[in-house]
Amino acid sequence: GAVVSQHPSRVICKSGTSVKIECRSLDFQATTMFWYRQFPKKSLMLMATSNEGSKATYEQGVEKDKFLINHASLTLSTLTVTSAHPEDSSFYICSAALGASPNYEQFFGPGTRLTVL
Amino acid sequence: AQSVAQPEDQVNVAEGNPLTVKCTYSVSGNPYLFWYVQYPNRGLQFLLKYITGDNLVKGSYGFEAEFNKSQTSFHLKKPSALVSDSALYFCAVRDLQDSGAGSYQLTFGKGTKLSVIP
Repeated sequence: GAVVSQHPSRVICKSGTSVKIECRSLDFQATTMFWYRQFPKKSLMLMATSNEGSKATYEQGVEKDKFLINHASLTLSTLTVTSAHPEDSSFYICSAALGASPNYEQFFGPGTRLTVL
Repeated sequence: AQSVAQPEDQVNVAEGNPLTVKCTYSVSGNPYLFWYVQYPNRGLQFLLKYITGDNLVKGSYGFEAEFNKSQTSFHLKKPSALVSDSALYFCAVRDLQDSGAGSYQLTFGKGTKLSVIP
């Protein structure tokens, strides 16, 4: 099946620093990738939809200047948390879409645990 | 707007007994329905999906789900639970009718924690 990887799996950083998370589709090309945030014992909250070669579409309430998304190739999307604060600590999950809209399937990465001290 | 409801935060079942995890949905058009499982500190793993065809869908690890259009439900079932089935289960829906939002987004339920007791 289609595989999506995320790197790093776990990161601890100091408040005020920036952290980059990579999401890769390993065996397929993904025009569209999605970034989710998951709080403890909560569902996944869609942060943004990332389209290759164009600007990401952010969900209401998500600061685009704080959560920078770059989808520079058909197999790689990155999420950069800028000037991280403790409240940004969370589990971040990406997914990549395989197939044409609206019947595409989403394959999820293993997630990245971010802890901001 | 599309939505998913998982009415149970937690389901407890004895090993070997049948299990059901409930899901109901709301969409404007036709639904594309999914079940995912999440183990601690892991991403989501796909279990099964329904888009059209037979209302009973069989998926990974012996799980199945039944699409019921009149009740707008898509409950997840397994005839005999295993301790290793203990995890967090998410139901998700995509509305196949374009609402104008553009991306045919996947909407998740809040999740149901399944505990299988030995």
